[in-house]
Amino acid sequence: GEDVEQSLFLSVREGDSSVINCTYTDSSSTYLYWYKQEPGAGLQLLTYIFSNMDMKQDQRLTVLLNKKDKHLSLRIADTQTGDSAIYFCAESRNNDMRFGAGTRLTVKP
Amino acid sequence: KAGVTQTPRYLIKTRGQQVTLSCSPISGHRSVSWYQQTPGQGLQFLFEYFSETQRNKGNFPGRFSGRQFSNSRSEMNVSTLELGDSALYLCASSLGSGNQPQHFGDGTRLSIL
Repeated sequence: GEDVEQSLFLSVREGDSSVINCTYTDSSSTYLYWYKQEPGAGLQLLTYIFSNMDMKQDQRLTVLLNKKDKHLSLRIADTQTGDSAIYFCAESRNNDMRFGAGTRLTVKP
Repeated sequence: KAGVTQTPRYLIKTRGQQVTLSCSPISGHRSVSWYQQTPGQGLQFLFEYFSETQRNKGNFPGRFSGRQFSNSRSEMNVSTLELGDSALYLCASSLGSGNQPQHFGDGTRLSIL
């Protein structure tokens, strides 16, 4: 199975908060990442968190890490239509990166 | 600072042909990784090059190969193309040490007819 797991779809209304969840299996992972992919483009690095941190906030983005449960989440506050995209969770250890299958976020006006 | 540049953006080939894709990393980045992205299989790791040496390799057949030059630019080659090779090929660069994040190009979309 996947080393990194994400739900495939999430739909929210504009202005609401979005929470995208991810679980990973390698407790030795040192960094965990969130990437965004818009149609026809590559993956854009949104944010990342070191494994000894619990939370990281960057403007509308909040990353929460529960290392005990190997659970990572990305919260997008005040979600806009421009946030519609596929969001990938990734873990890395020893320069080896593993990606989840991506969560397609749809924002309805 | 210029981002990761991949050329060409789009490519159409026929079965049995071979293809070479190019990737120019961010200046100062020494690691280049290649990924294949398809709707069915998602993002799959092909290989990673660091200082002109292949450092990691995914689970792809020998038809898929790559190399890296002394200026860190990388090329990926696929020989004897099959219909299933149709995909978006993404290149990512990083500093290459200390688990630095990877930065992606916009990819080359390869279509096999």
